[in-house]
Parts: sequence; structure tokens; C-alpha cells
Amino acid sequence: DAGVTQSPTHLIKTRGQHVTLRCSPISGHKSVSWYQQVLGQGPQFIFQYYEKEERGRGNFPDRFSARQFPNYSSELNVNALLLGDSALYLCASSGGTSSGNTIYFGEGSWLTVV
Amino acid sequence: GEDVEQSLFLSVREGDSSVINCTYTDSSSTYLYWYKQEPGAGLQLLTYIFSNMDMKQDQRLTVLLNKKDKHLSLRIADTQTGDSAIYFCAESNRGSNTGKLIFGQGTTLQVKP
Repeated sequence: DAGVTQSPTHLIKTRGQHVTLRCSPISGHKSVSWYQQVLGQGPQFIFQYYEKEERGRGNFPDRFSARQFPNYSSELNVNALLLGDSALYLCASSGGTSSGNTIYFGEGSWLTVV
Repeated sequence: GEDVEQSLFLSVREGDSSVINCTYTDSSSTYLYWYKQEPGAGLQLLTYIFSNMDMKQDQRLTVLLNKKDKHLSLRIADTQTGDSAIYFCAESNRGSNTGKLIFGQGTTLQVKP
């Protein structure tokens, strides 16, 4: 089975632009969470979606939004990009019937804002 | 509030044991996790422990939990150069149903040959 897949792996955007990051969870997992990891720090929680509903939101501005689709894949959208949005964006997958309390992460999307 | 603290750096010799420590503040934490991150990569789940357990062993990895002191440790036996990475401790309160993990700032493990 494939793990958590994220795309794109790397991208460069200009300040003020918009970005969409995509995530496909592990087959059978119904929950997707998004995290931002700035260089040298631990990941920070942005959103969790379960069964297409938002279940939690971290301390991020309204420029950040997300959604989950019927196939449980998810998109993270960031509007009006700032230099400080440059980070590794990680997607986490959980909630399968056999996965217990395991939470698996993808390889991430590296976003550079210039 | 919720907070997770880790020491920033640990250096060991190949073949020695490594012990990475973590403290957390949320007394309602239900699950505690250890992740490994290699340069330029995502997070690899190493192991996790439920809060009603004191210890969990998985091959070279041993997790110890002192719930009274809110202290978690990860012991890596026979440390190899391939274990060099950043190790993150994370806690979750599944009762909140948000699936939110609170991470420490990570411990960089350097393994010298």
C-alpha cells in the first residue's frame, strides 16, 4: 500500500500569490491533518479534517484554508503569501480501521516564498 | 497550556545507547509519539505509547513514560550512524477529537563512528 502522498514536493512562489498543496492519505484512512514546519522548529498544527468535516484548527490566520474530498484526499490553500509562510508543509493520515492510533506523515511540500 | 520540551542536541559513539528525553505539560495527554526526521524528509513514525503504559519496547527502541512527572524518554540501543537524525516527541489528547499533535522542538542526534 502507498503511504501518505503529497504534491508538489517543492515549489517557489512570490509574495502575494496563492498556493494549493495536495495530500492523499493512506488507503482506508479517513482523517487528514496539516502541519507547518519552519526550519529548525517542530511541526505546528494547522487543520484536521475527518469525514470531510473540519475537526480542529490551529492558530493560523484566515489566509489558510483546507478541504477534504469524498475520496478523503485533501487540499491546503494559502492566500496572499508572505515570506514567513516559507516552510515544509506536512500532511498526516490516520483513522483507519486497522491503524489504531498511528499517525503517519507524508514527505511534505517545501514552499519557498520570495 | 500545552507544551512539549526536548533537549536540542545529543552526541553519542556508534554502538553506545542513546537516550532522548522529553517533558510535556498536558496532564490529559493520552498518546505520546516519537518521530524521526532525516534531512530534507518528512516524519517517520518510530513508536507511540498510550498514557496508561509505563514502558514499550520495539526492537532497539525502548520508550519509558513517567506520567507523574510528565516525562517521556526514547532509548536507542546499539546506536548506528544511520540513526543520525532529528527526533521529535509529540503528544495528543484524543479526547479532544481534533487529532492535534503538539510537537517538541526536536533533538538532533549525532552518531560518531
